[in-house]
Amino acid sequence: QSVLTQPPSASGTPGQRVTISCSGSGSNIGSNPVNWYQQLPGSAPKLVMQSNDQRPSGVPGRFSGSKSGTSASLAINGLQSEDEADYYCAAWDDRLNGGVFGGGTKVTVL
Amino acid sequence: DVLLVESGGDLVQPGRSLRLSCEASGFIFDDYAMHWVRQAPGKGLEWVSSISYNSGSTGYAASVKGRFTISRDKAKNFLYLQMNSLRPEDTAFYYCVKGYSLSYSSSSFDFWGQGTLVTVSS
Repeated sequence: QSVLTQPPSASGTPGQRVTISCSGSGSNIGSNPVNWYQQLPGSAPKLVMQSNDQRPSGVPGRFSGSKSGTSASLAINGLQSEDEADYYCAAWDDRLNGGVFGGGTKVTVL
Repeated sequence: DVLLVESGGDLVQPGRSLRLSCEASGFIFDDYAMHWVRQAPGKGLEWVSSISYNSGSTGYAASVKGRFTISRDKAKNFLYLQMNSLRPEDTAFYYCVKGYSLSYSSSSFDFWGQGTLVTVSS
């Protein structure tokens, strides 16, 4: 059981908006920035959202992030076929003194 | 370009030891924290360990604390993970990861290696 909670799956047709939620607690999301990772099949993870809502260089503008209290979300506007991947949220946990990940959300483009 | 190349993954018996290495290039190694993250085949990501830019601070997941030791060699630009008393549940791809900042207490990992597979089985 992961410390951060994500839905196991999400889907949409090309061009639609998909949102992935990530729920935590006061010792992790409530106290520290949230980062999001995209993992394409057979590849290493890639940082797609940093410090809640900052897009790293090279990440398309259709990706956006937000955080409120002990929850965060990643949105993909204008879903494209190449966005089909697993997405993970992560945060530092002050109580555990370590990093924690969500269980991952598989995004499918219908 | 940032490049992280892991090595040392192997098939080992339960209770044995293994040392993973990660050669870093393309950035000032001394300026950033480094991390290990693992992923069991077909499963999600799990943070394993972190080390600050100057080796002054380290952190470990509860599942590996007391068995694994993270270290870095600034002269060679290498990150290491010494794994002792290995268990079948340690079977996973182990990723060497560059931190976004010098602090070890962050989940912002901006570059990842391709991973090295550790299989613990008799």
